[in-house]
Amino acid sequence: AQSVTQLDSHVSVSEGTPVLLRCNYSSSYSPSLFWYVQHPNKGLQLLLKYTSAATLVKGINGFEAEFKKSETSFHLTKPSAHMSDAAEYFCVVRAPGNNNDMRFGAGTRLTVKP
Amino acid sequence: GAGVSQSPSNKVTEKGKDVELRCDPISGHTALYWYRQSLGQGLEFLIYFQGNSAPDKSGLPSDRFSAERTGGSVSTLTIQRTQQEDSAVYLCASSLYGGLNTEAFFGQGTRLTVV
Repeated sequence: AQSVTQLDSHVSVSEGTPVLLRCNYSSSYSPSLFWYVQHPNKGLQLLLKYTSAATLVKGINGFEAEFKKSETSFHLTKPSAHMSDAAEYFCVVRAPGNNNDMRFGAGTRLTVKP
Repeated sequence: GAGVSQSPSNKVTEKGKDVELRCDPISGHTALYWYRQSLGQGLEFLIYFQGNSAPDKSGLPSDRFSAERTGGSVSTLTIQRTQQEDSAVYLCASSLYGGLNTEAFFGQGTRLTVV
């Protein structure tokens, strides 16, 4: 079975400073990994995905994530935070072997201070 | 439409009443998921449909919850004898198939309030 752990429930940064949202996964198979963002009162939107191609994945809005198999991590980063980045971020792992193959992390709430 | 559509967007119901929530997935998507998101919480898996296979119901919290998917397309989540703890946003998602490399697309959700 696969699982995902988001190491921080809340991250607060100042506008213009780097963002780091941490995600560790567990999987018996080579997984696919995703980051979704959820703005207040909105649905979930895909930021980026890793599907066993390049380990450094670039997504929308300047976000990127690096798949590190040795560390079983898939941390989300952005060089410079913008006020509009304030939202809830979810890390997701998919792997074969289960009927429901999509596992969500508990989420990280990102606050951006002016 | 091009995206996952859920209806109603908001539902207020009295405790003890039954409710039906509807999800229209993206055309051609064979995989469909239901999740529940309580205030300030993460996503709680409820049920997963993949093509004609038996659904994975392992996340349904009680026998008051059921779901069906007719013709491999539209899905309905039914909650019988609603309780106040059922109040949450119910999210539906679909993906092209239940494969590794396909992302899931989410609807805007149905906000259920049980009074």
